[in-house]
Amino acid sequence: DAKTTQPPSMDCAEGRAANLPCNHSTISGNEYVYWYRQIHSQGPQYIIHGLKNNETNEMASLIITEDRKSSTLILPHATLRDTAVYYCIVRAIMDSNYQLIWGAGTKLIIKP
Amino acid sequence: DSGVTQTPKHLITATGQRVTLRCSPRSGDLSVYWYQQSLDQGLQFLIHYYNGEERAKGNILERFSAQQFPDLHSELNLSSLELGDSALYFCASSGAASYNSPLHFGNGTRLTVT
Repeated sequence: DAKTTQPPSMDCAEGRAANLPCNHSTISGNEYVYWYRQIHSQGPQYIIHGLKNNETNEMASLIITEDRKSSTLILPHATLRDTAVYYCIVRAIMDSNYQLIWGAGTKLIIKP
Repeated sequence: DSGVTQTPKHLITATGQRVTLRCSPRSGDLSVYWYQQSLDQGLQFLIHYYNGEERAKGNILERFSAQQFPDLHSELNLSSLELGDSALYFCASSGAASYNSPLHFGNGTRLTVT
C-alpha cells in the first residue's frame, strides 16, 4: 500500500507557482520523500527528493515539515508543459531493499 | 532524456505468445528495476537487479522472468501472454541500491496482447 496521500487533482494558472501537497504521516526516520512526474504515458521523470531539510534544484523546491509528516512540492513558475501526474513517494525499506511504493498521484493541470 | 533506453517502443502480439523486452541502463548504473503500469493504474514493482544479481521481487508473475547481463543491460521475458498483460512496462536504473539514489526511467514498452 502507498504510504502517501495526495489530492487526486489540482489546477494552476500558467506563470503562477504550483504547490502540490503530500501527507506521509507514517514515514520512518530514514525514509526519503521522492517526487516524480509522468507526462501522458511517458516514463516517470525524477524531480527531487529529500530527508528532512528543504531542497531546491533547477526544476522545483521541496518543503518538508519539521515533523516530516507532510511535504509540499513547489513549481515556481508553472508552464503548460508542467501538466502531468505528480507522484509523492516514500522510499521504503522492503526485504533489505529500498523500493518506491507508488500511489495514485495528483493530476496537475496548468491552465493558460 | 533520462539515458535509459528501452526497446521496442511498441509490441503487439497474440495470447499465448512469448516476448522479450530490453533495457539499457544509464552509463555506470548498476541497478535495474522493472515496473508494470496497466491502463490508468499506478506503477507496480516487478523486480530489481543489481550488478547481475536479483535483489528483490515484487508482484511478478511466474510466467514472467528477467535477467541482467554482464554488460548490465536487462531483459524482461513475458510468456504465455494473456489479455491482462497488456500494459506499459518501464525499466529504471540507478547508480546504487541505496535509498538516496534516484531512479531514472526509460520511456517504456507498450505491450498489447490481442
